[in-house]
Amino acid sequence: GENVEQHPSTLSVQEGDSAVIKCTYSDSASNYFPWYKQELGKRPQLIIDIRSNVGEKKDQRIAVTLNKTAKHFSLHITETQPEDSAVYFCAASGLSGGYQKVTFGTGTKLQVIP
Amino acid sequence: DVKVTQSSRYLVKRTGEKVFLECVQDMDHENMFWYRQDPGLGLRLIYFSYDVKMKEKGDIPEGYSVSREKKERFSLILESASTNQTSMYLCASSPSGQGRGGYTFGSGTRLTVV
Repeated sequence: GENVEQHPSTLSVQEGDSAVIKCTYSDSASNYFPWYKQELGKRPQLIIDIRSNVGEKKDQRIAVTLNKTAKHFSLHITETQPEDSAVYFCAASGLSGGYQKVTFGTGTKLQVIP
Repeated sequence: DVKVTQSSRYLVKRTGEKVFLECVQDMDHENMFWYRQDPGLGLRLIYFSYDVKMKEKGDIPEGYSVSREKKERFSLILESASTNQTSMYLCASSPSGQGRGGYTFGSGTRLTVV
C-alpha cells in the first residue's frame, strides 16, 4: 500500500519568515495530494491540493509543488503569521483495491514566533 | 454551518464496554470515513464506506466495526473497549467521484478507556 512520510515533525519560524514542509510517497499511482491544517482543538481543514498533472499551485501565501519523478511534494508558506501556527498534514490519494484511498503523513507542528 | 457532526466531543468508557461513536453529515456525501488520530502517528484509517450498507476495512480495523444504515449516518463501534483504543476519533465525508481527499472532517471525539 501507499506510504507517506512527512518532515519535519516540528518546525519553528519567526514571524515573516517562510516555512517548508516536505512529504514523500511510495505509490506512483497516487494522483491527488491534499494538505490539511489542524488548529489546536479543531478539525483538520483542507487548505490546498494538487493533482498529478500539475507541478505547482499557489493560493496567496501558500503554495504546493509536486515532483512526480521523485515522488515528493512540498508545502510552502511565505510571510508566516502567528495564525499559521497549527499541525499540517499532507496526504496522497490513489486507487487501491478498486477504491480511491487517502493516506496521510504523520503531521508537522508549525509554530510561528511573533 | 457544521456539516459533519460527531455526537460526542469527549467520552470516558470502561474496559470491556461496547462503545458507539456516531457521525452524521448533511451534505449528501456518498463517502464516509473513520480515522483515529494519535500523536506521532498522524491519521490512520479504520473503516470507510462508499455507499449505504457498504463498508470496507481500512488500515487498522481490528477491534472495530461500523454500520451505515442511512446515507447520512456512519457509526463506529468498539465491540469491547480496551485501553489501547484511547484516542481521538475523526469522522470525515466526501462526495462520490471525487474520493481523492477533499474531506470534510467532524470535530472529533476524544475517547478515554479506563
